[in-house]
Amino acid sequence: KAGVTQTPRYLIKTRGQQVTLSCSPISGHRSVSWYQQTPGQGLQFLFEYFSETQRNKGNFPGRFSGRQFSNSRSEMNVSTLELGDSALYLCASREQGIRAEAFFGQGTRLTVV
Amino acid sequence: AQTVTQSQPEMSVQEAETVTLSCTYDTSESDYYLFWYKQPPSRQMILVIRQEAYKQQNATENRFSVNFQKAAKSFSLKISDSQLGDAAMYFCAYPNGSGNTGKLIFGQGTTLQVKP
Repeated sequence: KAGVTQTPRYLIKTRGQQVTLSCSPISGHRSVSWYQQTPGQGLQFLFEYFSETQRNKGNFPGRFSGRQFSNSRSEMNVSTLELGDSALYLCASREQGIRAEAFFGQGTRLTVV
Repeated sequence: AQTVTQSQPEMSVQEAETVTLSCTYDTSESDYYLFWYKQPPSRQMILVIRQEAYKQQNATENRFSVNFQKAAKSFSLKISDSQLGDAAMYFCAYPNGSGNTGKLIFGQGTTLQVKP
């Protein structure tokens, strides 16, 4: 099985722009979660989608949004980018079920200038 | 609120030696599970080991084992016979919320250096 695929791997954007990141989960995985990783704040949960519905949401402003498609692929959007949004964004997919392991992609490195 | 704390920002170990990474957590739940993830320079998080809270026995995966102290809410990772490839950042993680959740709460991470 192919692993979790995140595209693009690297992005450079200007303050005020918006950006869309993509995540393709492992085949058969219907849960997709997104995390932001920064040196200062560590790994923080953004949101989780399951069967096209947002199931959990972290403590991030409304500029951060996401969606999931019927094939379980997910996108994350950040509008009106700020310098502080520079981070590694990680996506994880998992099977349905209690205690299911999360499998992570290699992340998208976003730099806001 | 559930929290996960890793008090060692950096650790180093000599190749072939043993090292223990610490993690404490806070939860009011009685049935849960815990993870250790490894993040090498390639950035991809890889599951190292998982512990079910209801199990008395500590989990073991080859050279990796845990010391799970439920009453103390402690979950440390022991790496035996350390190898150069073990150099990475290690995160302790706790699934937030009971049952089927994809939300993980991570500790701050411990960077492990392995010296040849």
